[in-house]
Amino acid sequence: NAGVMQNPRHLVRRRGQEARLRCSPMKGHSHVYWYRQLPEEGLKFMVYLQKENIIDESGMPKERFSAEFPKEGPSILRIQQVVRGDSAAYFCASSPRQVGETQYFGPGTRLLVL
Amino acid sequence: AQSVTQLDSQVPVFEEAPVELRCNYSSSVSVYLFWYVQYPNQGLQLLLKYLSGSTLVESINGFEAEFNKSQTSFHLRKPSVHISDTAEYFCAPGFQKLVFGTGTRLLVSP
Repeated sequence: NAGVMQNPRHLVRRRGQEARLRCSPMKGHSHVYWYRQLPEEGLKFMVYLQKENIIDESGMPKERFSAEFPKEGPSILRIQQVVRGDSAAYFCASSPRQVGETQYFGPGTRLLVL
Repeated sequence: AQSVTQLDSQVPVFEEAPVELRCNYSSSVSVYLFWYVQYPNQGLQLLLKYLSGSTLVESINGFEAEFNKSQTSFHLRKPSVHISDTAEYFCAPGFQKLVFGTGTRLLVSP
């Protein structure tokens, strides 16, 4: 059973460009979470999605950030018009159907904004 | 709402010495408690978790943590550390979304 997959692993963007981060959850997992880790900090929750639904987006910045988890395909975290402060590691986690189950993390996407 | 405090940002120890990484949390509701480990430039791996039942939980590589409801703590311990345990350790209470502490860097030297 493959683990959580994220791509790309590294992404370089210039200020003002768009960044698209992809996350394929583990097989059979229908819950996806996105977290951001700034340098020298812990992970901060961004958004929690189930298939085709955003359940909790309380950690998402109000502007430029969006997330989706379509019926088919990976979950996408989209950052429009990136700024240097968006440079961070973005981790995706997935869990099975039940709340409270272990979240399994992907290897992360490291975004660098020049 | 939940919050978590990891009191030590860095813990240096010698190989084969015991170690305790402290974690205190606050929550207005019952939560589950997790310890994750992060090796350099990698994602997080689950170390152990407390959902219910016995307050002492163990991992396969010798770590253990005890849930103390009265002190709202979930400290992580290992009686004898190895060089390969050098990593960042995160405590995380949560029900759906996890709330991560700032992490404790365990540095094991020979």
